[in-house]
Amino acid sequence: DTGVSQNPRHKITKRGQNVTFRCDPISEHNRLYWYRQTLGQGPEFLTYFQNEAQLEKSRLLSDRFSAERPKGSFSTLEIQRTEQGDSAMYLCASSLGGGLSSTDTQYFGPGTRLTVL
Amino acid sequence: AQKITQTQPGMFVQEKEAVTLDCTYDTSDPSYGLFWYKQPSSGEMIFLIYQGSYDQQNATEGRYSLNFQKARKSANLVISASQLGDSAMYFCAMREGNQAGTALIFGKGTTLSVSS
Repeated sequence: DTGVSQNPRHKITKRGQNVTFRCDPISEHNRLYWYRQTLGQGPEFLTYFQNEAQLEKSRLLSDRFSAERPKGSFSTLEIQRTEQGDSAMYLCASSLGGGLSSTDTQYFGPGTRLTVL
Repeated sequence: AQKITQTQPGMFVQEKEAVTLDCTYDTSDPSYGLFWYKQPSSGEMIFLIYQGSYDQQNATEGRYSLNFQKARKSANLVISASQLGDSAMYFCAMREGNQAGTALIFGKGTTLSVSS
C-alpha cells in the first residue's frame, strides 16, 4: 500500500489525558498537512510541513496541540490535556510539492477518530 | 463570508442516472485551484478532480466532470452513470494562489445517495 497511512484509526481517551497520532505520507511527498473534521463539517486546516519545517499553523492549533515531522518523513500530532471539544476526525494529507504548482494535489489518509470522554 | 458553499445537504439519484453537485466559491485571488473529494463512510478523502482558474477547458476524469463557470464562481461536479458505490459525502475545496503547500478550504459537503 503506497497511500497515506495513519495510526491509530480510533482513539478513545478521558478528558485531561494526552494523545499522539502518527501519519506516514506517500514516500516521495515532501509536503504534509494536518486537518481536523468535526461531524457534519468539511475538514479544517491545522498545520503544514515542507520536509521537516513547519511552515504554517492555523489559529485552530491551540497551545495544547503540537506537531512534528523530525526527519521529513512521518509526522506526529500530539494533543495535551484533551478536552471534549477535541473530539473529531484528524486527517493527514501529503503532496508532492516541487515548487510553484497550482495543482499539487493533496492525498489524504484514512484519518484518526478521537473521542474524548 | 464562506469561501466555499455547497447548498445541497443531500442528493438522491438512481443508478445509471447523472447527478450534479453544486459548489460556489468566493475569492479575490485571480489564481486558484478547485478540487472535489469523495468521502465514503470509512472516512478517507479520495481525490476526484481538479480545475485550475486559468484552465480553458472543463476538467474531466472518467465519469466525473467539472462544470466550471468562472464568471458565476461555480464549480459543479457532474457524475455520469451513477453507481451504488458512488454513495458518499462529496466535498468541494479551493486553494487560493498558485503556491504549492497552501491549505485547502473545504465546503460543508453534500451527501449523495444512489439507489438501485
